[in-house]
This record gives sequence, structure tokens and C-alpha cells, in this order.
Amino acid sequence: DTEVTQTPKHLVMGMTNKKSLKCEQHMGHRAMYWYKQKAKKPPELMFVYSYEKLSINESVPSRFSPECPNSSLLNLHLHALQPEDSALYLCASSPFGRGDTEAFFGQGTRLTVV
Amino acid sequence: DAKTTQPTSMDCAEGRAANLPCNHSTISGNEYVYWYRQIHSQGPQYIIHGLKNNETNEMASLIITEDRKSSTLILPHATLRDTAVYYCIRRRTGNQFYFGTGTSLTVIP
Repeated sequence: DTEVTQTPKHLVMGMTNKKSLKCEQHMGHRAMYWYKQKAKKPPELMFVYSYEKLSINESVPSRFSPECPNSSLLNLHLHALQPEDSALYLCASSPFGRGDTEAFFGQGTRLTVV
Repeated sequence: DAKTTQPTSMDCAEGRAANLPCNHSTISGNEYVYWYRQIHSQGPQYIIHGLKNNETNEMASLIITEDRKSSTLILPHATLRDTAVYYCIRRRTGNQFYFGTGTSLTVIP
């Protein structure tokens, strides 16, 4: 199983809502990532988890709160978002620490903030 | 990653080789170069990667210059299904994949 599964595929939320994005992988990867991708732009790294601990936070606003409850699951909790946060959110995973192994990406969650 | 730059767009005739360049002039000695492609805002798909030597797999070839400041992805016989956005990526230590600016490749019948 070489899949990274993201749910939901689409999400519309109001600026006062709280929602969560979910990402799951069963490849035994101990590094997991969240990326944000605006239209016609490359994905931008948001967070990296290594062995279930947050290792990289690319100065992401606190209205985005990541969580890694176990080695297979990664969540992104959303609260008080702004319309400019509308984007495709991508999750990825890779074996930890090996520069010569690729990351596997999910299909993304298309988020619209209204 | 503003340090990894690619042409915005390229065209290629079907059946011909597509050569996609990438500039990563500030790459460190232990950073790998990866290439992914993305079709219709789906998740990026892995193509190939390398450190110093040229690499080839069933999908593509990767040519890395000796000084490692640039690389070229070669799709040997482009098909219409190869139309996509291609990203050159630097993989840093600490499990960080930083995307380049991307090239939108259009394969023309």
C-alpha cells in the first residue's frame, strides 16, 4: 500500500468555524508533511513531523494547528481562517532521514473559506 | 523555494524528447534533487531523483551538472499524457522537500 489518503476531498468553511483535515498512511513512514498550494503556484511547506514530533514549522499562523496522534495519522486543525487561506492542502509522507527516498503525496483537500 | 528556478512554460511535440531545466545554484553538497509532476491539481507524483550522478529510470533521465548548480529532466518520448506541471525539488536534511517554481509542459500532437 503506497497511498496517502486525505479526507475530506473538498471543504467549505466559514471564518468562525473549526474544522480538521485528516491524512493517513500505512507505509511505516516516520516523516509526515503538510503543504499549502495556491492556484498556479508551487506547494509551500507548512509543517514537518518526525517520529510524531513537530520538527519544522515554516512560520505558519497559529490558526493552523497540526497534530500527529500516531505514526500513521496526521491532522491539521483549522480555526478562524481567512478567505486568503483558501487553497489545496497536501499531505505527504516519507521514510525518516533518508535523502534518497521519495515522498508520497495525497490527492489533497480543496479548502474554501467563505 | 525561491532559490530553485524553472522556466514558466514549455511546449514539446509528441514523440520528441522533452528537456526541462532547473537552476539550483545554491544547493548544498548533501541535498538531493528530486523531480515530481502534478496533473490537474492532483497530488504531485514522483519521477526521479539524484545527488551527483546522472540517473535513469523507466520514466525519465536526470542529468546533473558537475558543479550541481543545475539539472535537466529528460522525458525521452513525450506523450499527451505527459502534459503537466513539473517541479524540481531540493530535499534538505531534516526531511524537508522544497519545491521550485515549476514548469508547465504542454505536449502538442
